[in-house]
Amino acid sequence: SQQGEEDPQALSIQEGENATMNCSYKTSINNLQWYRQNSGRGLVHLILIRSNEREKHSGRLRVTLDTSKKSSSLLITASRAADTASYFCATDFTGGGNKLTFGTGTQLKVEL
Amino acid sequence: DADVTQTPRNRITKTGKRIMLECSQTKGHDRMYWYRQDPGLGLRLIYYSFDVKDINKGEISDGYSVSRQAQAKFSLSLESAIPNQTALYFCATSEDRFIEQFFGPGTRLTVL
Repeated sequence: SQQGEEDPQALSIQEGENATMNCSYKTSINNLQWYRQNSGRGLVHLILIRSNEREKHSGRLRVTLDTSKKSSSLLITASRAADTASYFCATDFTGGGNKLTFGTGTQLKVEL
Repeated sequence: DADVTQTPRNRITKTGKRIMLECSQTKGHDRMYWYRQDPGLGLRLIYYSFDVKDINKGEISDGYSVSRQAQAKFSLSLESAIPNQTALYFCATSEDRFIEQFFGPGTRLTVL
């Protein structure tokens, strides 16, 4: 399977701390995206990073991409209770037929 | 995302029944997707369509069929439902391959 693997599977932190989630994949990509899912609801797109980019920021989110290691990380700074959700990486593989392959997700819990 | 709607939101059915899940979008996107989500497995692609005349199988199409009735409508059918099709089903749309996907709220399907 070319599905991305996310690490850790679950993460629990205190409000105000930073949260880091990692995604590894197996083959070359056109782009990698991160999504958030609140419990039982639809996924919401957070950020997209292209294969020729190394870092991207959006508000409190910072995404890095290392194509040599086939890995990406999502950093949420100064986390809030409202950040509690599952986070998924999704990859658009080169030659993958123009579709996304989702990882298994990281469940983040931010406690007050 | 209110621009992508799914009906029904919840459905309980029995083994062997035919069931249809419907997806409508007002975003004007050509590309539409059907995914299923099982605990611990992330999202897996069932079928996708890049325009009204284009239908493609995804990772797990067996036991499912789709119909793209119009640009705005993409339906998923289970011809003869079985218990291991119990899952959360999501419809998504996108404008093109480099842009994020927009997800509907999901349909929780239980097959008894």
